[in-house]
Amino acid sequence: KAGVTQTPRYLIKTRGQQVTLSCSPISGHRSVSWYQQTPGQGLQFLFEYFSETQRNKGNFPGRFSGRQFSNSRSEMNVSTLELGDSALYLCASSPVTGGGYEQYFGPGTRLTVT
Amino acid sequence: SQQGEEDPQALSIQEGENATMNCSYKTSINNLQWYRQNSGRGLVHLILIRSNEREKHSGRLRVTLDTSKKSSSLLITASRAADTASYFCATLPTGNNDMRFGAGTRLTVKP
Repeated sequence: KAGVTQTPRYLIKTRGQQVTLSCSPISGHRSVSWYQQTPGQGLQFLFEYFSETQRNKGNFPGRFSGRQFSNSRSEMNVSTLELGDSALYLCASSPVTGGGYEQYFGPGTRLTVT
Repeated sequence: SQQGEEDPQALSIQEGENATMNCSYKTSINNLQWYRQNSGRGLVHLILIRSNEREKHSGRLRVTLDTSKKSSSLLITASRAADTASYFCATLPTGNNDMRFGAGTRLTVKP
């Protein structure tokens, strides 16, 4: 079974721009969660989607948004980029929602904002 | 927001030695998971322990959970250079559906 894939792997953007990151979960997994990882704040939960519905949201500003498609693929969008948005963005998939099961992580997208 | 805190922040040992990492958390939980992350890559799930369990084993890994002390430990026996990575505990607080990760322990195993 193919693992979780994320595209692109690396991205450089300028302050004020917007960016869209993509995540394809493991086949059959319907839950996709997004995390931001920075050296200062560590791993922080952004949001979770299950069956095209946002089930959970972390404490991030509205500039961070996401969606999930009928094939469970998910996208994450960050608008009006700030320098502090530079981070490794990880998505993880799980067969079910609710956080009670192991999550399978993708390799991440390294976003650099200049 | 982070829920767990790992201790120590960094650990350096020789191949063949055992490595013990600890995780403390603040609120009651449904389960606790341990993950490994190689430098700048995605996380790999190691083990999940539920709140009604006290100990679990998986190969060279042993995890304990003490809910009265709100703490867990991960023991890696007979460590190998390939175990060099960051290890994170992640908790699922009761009543929540999102996992909270600790800051991680950076383990270095010297050959």
